[in-house]
Amino acid sequence: AQKVTQAQTEISVVEKEDVTLDCVYETRDTTYYLFWYKQPPSGELVFLIRRNSFDEQNEISGRYSWNFQKSTSSFNFTITASQVVDSAVYFCALSEIIQGAQKLVFGQGTRLTINP
Amino acid sequence: DAMVIQNPRYQVTQFGKPVTLSCSQTLNHNVMYWYQQKSSQAPKLLFHYYDKDFNNEADTPDNFQSRRPNTSFCFLDIRSPGLGDAAMYLCATSRQPYYEQYFGPGTRLTVT
Repeated sequence: AQKVTQAQTEISVVEKEDVTLDCVYETRDTTYYLFWYKQPPSGELVFLIRRNSFDEQNEISGRYSWNFQKSTSSFNFTITASQVVDSAVYFCALSEIIQGAQKLVFGQGTRLTINP
Repeated sequence: DAMVIQNPRYQVTQFGKPVTLSCSQTLNHNVMYWYQQKSSQAPKLLFHYYDKDFNNEADTPDNFQSRRPNTSFCFLDIRSPGLGDAAMYLCATSRQPYYEQYFGPGTRLTVT
């Protein structure tokens, strides 16, 4: 069965610090996709990144970067120079295809609080 | 600019009184999903439509039904809400399998 583990339930840092959110996954599929979503207090899940299992290149988007390592089944997310607006719950997710559509298996989420 | 719209944002219903939540999309995506998210938990998939094909999760209670009359709209019907059904209900869409899902703002359901 597919599983995503986000071991850090809550993280609290001071603004401008760098912070890394961990994500470890389990799957038997050779082809799969990994995602990160942000859920601010307003409740809407905001898509951040999608990565397929054949692409292990790290990705950087502004202050956000992602490190995908198949050898350790990890897909970690780093925020550099954190800001108060980064405060949210962050979910890592793994896809599986069921009956022609994608089912997201979510981790339990990491609540990130950035203090001014 | 809104791509996935959910109405209402907040819904209060009485125990046992049927309620319908709606979702619409301007993305023309093939797949629409309904998730239930309870406090401090991850979203849980209830069911999805791939075009007109309805797919129910094995553990979704019979109390929950869905309709997709056309590509743009999808409804979640809760026939007899119980106190345990109070949650945030999230609608999402994706163009095709393996593509990212875009979520609406959610409807927070309260059952009194």
